Amino acid sequence: SQQGEEDPQALSIQEGENATMNCSYKTSINNLQWYRQNSGRGLVHLILIRSNEREKHSGRLRVTLDTSKKSSSLLITASRAADTASYFCYNNNDMRFGAGTRLTVKP
Amino acid sequence: DTGVSQDPRHKITKRGQNVTFRCDPISEHNRLYWYRQTLGQGPEFLTYFQNEAQLEKSRLLSDRFSAERPKGSFSTLEIQRTEQGDSAMYLCASSGDGRANEKLFFGSGTQLSVL
Repeated sequence: SQQGEEDPQALSIQEGENATMNCSYKTSINNLQWYRQNSGRGLVHLILIRSNEREKHSGRLRVTLDTSKKSSSLLITASRAADTASYFCYNNNDMRFGAGTRLTVKP
Repeated sequence: DTGVSQDPRHKITKRGQNVTFRCDPISEHNRLYWYRQTLGQGPEFLTYFQNEAQLEKSRLLSDRFSAERPKGSFSTLEIQRTEQGDSAMYLCASSGDGRANEKLFFGSGTQLSVL
Protein backbone atom coordinates (compact mmCIF):
# COMPACT_ATOMS: atom_id res chain seq x y z
CA SER A 1 0.00 0.00 0.00
CA GLN A 2 1.16 3.56 -0.60
CA GLN A 3 2.10 6.16 1.97
CA GLY A 4 0.37 9.48 1.74
CA GLU A 5 0.26 11.77 -1.22
CA GLU A 6 2.83 13.99 -2.83
CA ASP A 7 1.76 17.37 -4.05
CA PRO A 8 1.92 18.33 -6.84
CA GLN A 9 1.87 15.13 -8.89
CA ALA A 10 3.75 16.93 -11.66
CA LEU A 11 5.72 20.16 -11.74
CA SER A 12 7.29 21.92 -14.71
CA ILE A 13 9.65 24.86 -14.20
CA GLN A 14 12.42 26.77 -15.97
CA GLU A 15 16.06 26.24 -15.18
CA GLY A 16 17.16 28.49 -12.33
CA GLU A 17 13.76 28.50 -10.61
CA ASN A 18 13.07 26.83 -7.29
CA ALA A 19 10.97 23.67 -7.02
CA THR A 20 8.90 22.78 -3.97
CA MET A 21 7.33 19.38 -3.42
CA ASN A 22 5.13 18.38 -0.52
CA CYS A 23 4.49 15.02 1.09
CA SER A 24 1.92 13.91 3.62
CA TYR A 25 2.27 10.70 5.56
CA LYS A 26 -0.19 8.63 7.51
CA THR A 27 1.64 6.86 10.33
CA SER A 28 4.20 8.11 12.83
CA ILE A 29 7.80 8.42 11.69
CA ASN A 30 11.24 7.79 13.10
CA ASN A 31 12.62 9.66 10.16
CA LEU A 32 11.41 10.78 6.77
CA GLN A 33 13.58 10.41 3.70
CA TRP A 34 13.48 11.80 0.18
CA TYR A 35 14.56 9.82 -2.87
CA ARG A 36 15.04 10.66 -6.52
CA GLN A 37 14.38 8.38 -9.48
CA ASN A 38 15.46 8.97 -13.04
CA SER A 39 13.27 7.35 -15.66
CA GLY A 40 13.50 3.56 -15.57
CA ARG A 41 16.20 3.47 -12.91
CA GLY A 42 16.48 2.62 -9.22
CA LEU A 43 15.93 5.19 -6.51
CA VAL A 44 18.74 7.25 -5.03
CA HIS A 45 18.70 8.64 -1.49
CA LEU A 46 18.80 12.44 -1.23
CA ILE A 47 18.26 13.52 2.35
CA LEU A 48 16.96 12.28 5.72
CA ILE A 49 15.22 14.29 8.42
CA ARG A 50 14.53 12.86 11.88
CA SER A 51 11.25 13.23 13.73
CA ASN A 52 12.79 15.67 16.22
CA GLU A 53 14.18 17.93 13.48
CA ARG A 54 12.27 20.70 11.73
CA GLU A 55 14.60 21.64 8.88
CA LYS A 56 17.66 20.23 7.19
CA HIS A 57 19.90 21.39 4.33
CA SER A 58 22.14 19.57 1.91
CA GLY A 59 23.62 21.55 -0.95
CA ARG A 60 20.71 22.90 -3.03
CA LEU A 61 18.21 20.80 -1.08
CA ARG A 62 16.18 21.95 1.89
CA VAL A 63 13.70 19.68 3.64
CA THR A 64 11.23 20.67 6.33
CA LEU A 65 9.14 18.50 8.59
CA ASP A 66 5.92 19.28 10.45
CA THR A 67 5.00 16.28 12.59
CA SER A 68 1.81 17.95 13.85
CA LYS A 69 0.52 18.03 10.28
CA LYS A 70 2.30 14.82 9.24
CA SER A 71 3.83 16.60 6.30
CA SER A 72 7.20 17.37 4.78
CA SER A 73 8.41 19.53 1.95
CA LEU A 74 11.46 19.32 -0.30
CA LEU A 75 12.83 22.49 -1.86
CA ILE A 76 15.34 22.36 -4.70
CA THR A 77 16.90 25.77 -5.28
CA ALA A 78 18.37 27.06 -8.54
CA SER A 79 17.12 24.03 -10.45
CA ARG A 80 19.00 22.52 -13.38
CA ALA A 81 17.84 20.43 -16.33
CA ALA A 82 19.65 17.49 -14.70
CA ASP A 83 17.20 17.70 -11.75
CA THR A 84 14.46 16.36 -14.04
CA ALA A 85 13.29 13.20 -12.28
CA SER A 86 10.60 11.83 -9.97
CA TYR A 87 10.91 12.56 -6.27
CA PHE A 88 9.46 10.38 -3.51
CA CYS A 89 9.15 10.70 0.25
CA TYR A 90 9.66 7.62 2.42
CA ASN A 91 8.55 6.83 5.95
CA ASN A 92 11.15 4.50 7.44
CA ASN A 93 8.77 3.45 10.22
CA ASP A 94 6.33 1.69 7.91
CA MET A 95 8.68 1.40 4.90
CA ARG A 96 6.18 3.04 2.55
CA PHE A 97 6.77 5.56 -0.23
CA GLY A 98 4.54 8.37 -1.42
CA ALA A 99 3.13 8.51 -4.92
CA GLY A 100 5.82 10.95 -6.06
CA THR A 101 6.21 14.27 -7.85
CA ARG A 102 7.43 14.27 -11.45
CA LEU A 103 9.66 17.30 -11.87
CA THR A 104 10.58 18.65 -15.31
CA VAL A 105 13.16 21.40 -15.51
CA LYS A 106 13.28 23.10 -18.90
CA PRO A 107 16.61 24.49 -20.10
CA ASP B 1 31.08 -2.41 -2.24
CA THR B 2 29.56 -3.23 -5.60
CA GLY B 3 26.08 -1.92 -4.79
CA VAL B 4 22.79 -3.80 -4.96
CA SER B 5 22.48 -6.00 -8.02
CA GLN B 6 19.35 -7.54 -9.48
CA ASP B 7 19.01 -10.26 -12.05
CA PRO B 8 17.61 -10.38 -14.65
CA ARG B 9 17.18 -6.78 -15.79
CA HIS B 10 14.29 -7.72 -18.01
CA LYS B 11 11.96 -10.72 -18.05
CA ILE B 12 9.24 -11.46 -20.58
CA THR B 13 6.97 -14.35 -19.79
CA LYS B 14 3.64 -15.79 -20.79
CA ARG B 15 0.65 -15.67 -18.51
CA GLY B 16 0.56 -18.67 -16.21
CA GLN B 17 4.31 -19.21 -16.09
CA ASN B 18 6.41 -18.95 -12.93
CA VAL B 19 9.23 -16.43 -12.68
CA THR B 20 12.02 -15.93 -10.14
CA PHE B 21 14.10 -12.82 -9.57
CA ARG B 22 17.32 -12.53 -7.61
CA CYS B 23 18.70 -9.69 -5.51
CA ASP B 24 22.22 -9.43 -4.13
CA PRO B 25 22.36 -6.71 -1.47
CA ILE B 26 25.40 -4.78 -0.31
CA SER B 27 27.42 -7.41 1.55
CA GLU B 28 27.37 -5.88 5.03
CA HIS B 29 23.67 -4.96 4.92
CA ASN B 30 21.39 -7.16 6.98
CA ARG B 31 18.11 -5.57 5.89
CA LEU B 32 16.57 -6.31 2.51
CA TYR B 33 13.37 -4.98 0.94
CA TRP B 34 11.30 -5.79 -2.13
CA TYR B 35 9.08 -3.22 -3.84
CA ARG B 36 6.94 -3.24 -6.96
CA GLN B 37 6.47 -0.17 -9.13
CA THR B 38 4.19 0.52 -12.06
CA LEU B 39 4.53 3.43 -14.44
CA GLY B 40 3.81 6.78 -12.85
CA GLN B 41 3.37 5.34 -9.36
CA GLY B 42 5.50 5.20 -6.25
CA PRO B 43 7.19 1.99 -5.15
CA GLU B 44 4.71 -0.35 -3.44
CA PHE B 45 6.02 -2.29 -0.44
CA LEU B 46 6.04 -6.07 -0.86
CA THR B 47 8.20 -7.56 1.89
CA TYR B 48 11.12 -6.99 4.29
CA PHE B 49 13.85 -9.24 5.67
CA GLN B 50 16.18 -8.76 8.57
CA ASN B 51 18.94 -11.28 7.99
CA GLU B 52 17.12 -14.48 6.97
CA ALA B 53 13.88 -13.65 8.80
CA GLN B 54 10.96 -12.32 6.76
CA LEU B 55 9.57 -9.80 9.25
CA GLU B 56 6.85 -8.14 7.23
CA LYS B 57 4.83 -8.97 4.14
CA SER B 58 2.25 -6.73 2.50
CA ARG B 59 -1.31 -7.91 2.99
CA LEU B 60 -1.92 -6.93 -0.60
CA LEU B 61 0.50 -9.60 -1.74
CA SER B 62 -1.31 -12.63 -3.02
CA ASP B 63 -0.29 -16.19 -2.20
CA ARG B 64 1.28 -16.41 -5.65
CA PHE B 65 4.18 -14.30 -4.40
CA SER B 66 6.90 -15.71 -2.19
CA ALA B 67 10.27 -14.41 -1.14
CA GLU B 68 13.22 -16.05 0.56
CA ARG B 69 16.57 -15.04 1.95
CA PRO B 70 17.94 -18.41 3.01
CA LYS B 71 21.35 -17.47 4.39
CA GLY B 72 20.74 -13.83 5.08
CA SER B 73 22.63 -12.80 1.98
CA PHE B 74 20.94 -12.86 -1.45
CA SER B 75 17.16 -13.00 -1.82
CA THR B 76 14.78 -14.43 -4.39
CA LEU B 77 11.27 -13.32 -5.26
CA GLU B 78 9.08 -15.87 -7.02
CA ILE B 79 5.78 -15.21 -8.73
CA GLN B 80 3.73 -18.29 -9.55
CA ARG B 81 1.08 -18.46 -12.27
CA THR B 82 1.85 -14.96 -13.50
CA GLU B 83 -0.99 -12.65 -14.57
CA GLN B 84 -0.87 -9.62 -16.82
CA GLY B 85 -1.41 -7.42 -13.77
CA ASP B 86 1.95 -8.58 -12.42
CA SER B 87 3.71 -6.60 -15.15
CA ALA B 88 5.80 -4.03 -13.29
CA MET B 89 9.31 -3.08 -12.19
CA TYR B 90 10.42 -5.13 -9.18
CA LEU B 91 12.90 -3.24 -7.04
CA CYS B 92 15.18 -4.56 -4.33
CA ALA B 93 16.87 -2.41 -1.70
CA SER B 94 19.15 -3.00 1.26
CA SER B 95 20.23 -1.11 4.35
CA GLY B 96 22.32 -1.61 7.44
CA ASP B 97 21.62 -1.36 11.16
CA GLY B 98 21.62 1.69 13.36
CA ARG B 99 21.01 5.38 12.98
CA ALA B 100 23.94 5.87 10.61
CA ASN B 101 22.70 3.23 8.18
CA GLU B 102 19.03 4.00 7.65
CA LYS B 103 19.08 5.01 4.02
CA LEU B 104 18.09 2.47 1.41
CA PHE B 105 20.33 1.49 -1.48
CA PHE B 106 18.41 0.32 -4.52
CA GLY B 107 19.23 -2.00 -7.37
CA SER B 108 18.32 -1.12 -10.96
CA GLY B 109 15.26 -3.36 -10.82
CA THR B 110 13.83 -6.23 -12.84
CA GLN B 111 11.26 -5.19 -15.45
CA LEU B 112 8.64 -7.94 -15.81
CA SER B 113 6.32 -8.11 -18.80
CA VAL B 114 3.59 -10.74 -18.74
CA LEU B 115 2.08 -11.40 -22.16
